[in-house]
Amino acid sequence: DIQMTQSPSSLSASVGDRVTVTCQASQDITEYINWYQQKPGQAPRLLIYDTSNLETGVPSRFSGRGSGTDFSLTISSLQPEDIATYYCQQYDDLPLTFGGGTRVEIK
Amino acid sequence: QVQLVQSGAEVKKPGASVKVSCEASGYTFTVYYIHWVRQAPGQGLEWMGRINPTSGGSNLAQKFQGRVTVTRDTSTTTAYMELSSLRSDDTAVYYCARGAVGGPTDYWGQGTLVTVSS
Repeated sequence: DIQMTQSPSSLSASVGDRVTVTCQASQDITEYINWYQQKPGQAPRLLIYDTSNLETGVPSRFSGRGSGTDFSLTISSLQPEDIATYYCQQYDDLPLTFGGGTRVEIK
Repeated sequence: QVQLVQSGAEVKKPGASVKVSCEASGYTFTVYYIHWVRQAPGQGLEWMGRINPTSGGSNLAQKFQGRVTVTRDTSTTTAYMELSSLRSDDTAVYYCARGAVGGPTDYWGQGTLVTVSS
């Protein structure tokens, strides 16, 4: 199985800060990584697919980049509504696997 | 609009089985896989398996093989996930999600809480 190592596990930042979450795959997954946002009590929401493609309706302050084994999700200017847990997911191979999650809080 | 509506919360005893349903609407059911993902309380996301609604063929994560059955009914555009021999550590929210072939899981159901307790 492909392991997805996500970091940090949590972070605290101020409104307006630039925030970056990283995910490292245990093997080359080319571009097949997605990023999800999950708020308490809600289902995950797809933010970015295929490394860098923004899902419809997702604010442009979210962006993704990377290739091979190293990937990142960036929020360019953190907003109060971005408080959530973020997960990466690889779909290069079955079983699909997720990173452990990053909890983002407001300082 | 695309919707995946899951069945309600369940409370089961250890050793029992549970069957969760996921009714899809707003798109052509047979074009997208239905995936099943679970989340234990306070924990991360765990992929369980998927079903191809066209063929009925499925792929399951190794840890669930032998205990999970995924099926579908194309006449009602509903997918099902049955988990048997329940244990306390199966207590979780179970989600269904649709995913195109080679594509991301883009729409998710609201989740079904399954509690396993004696």
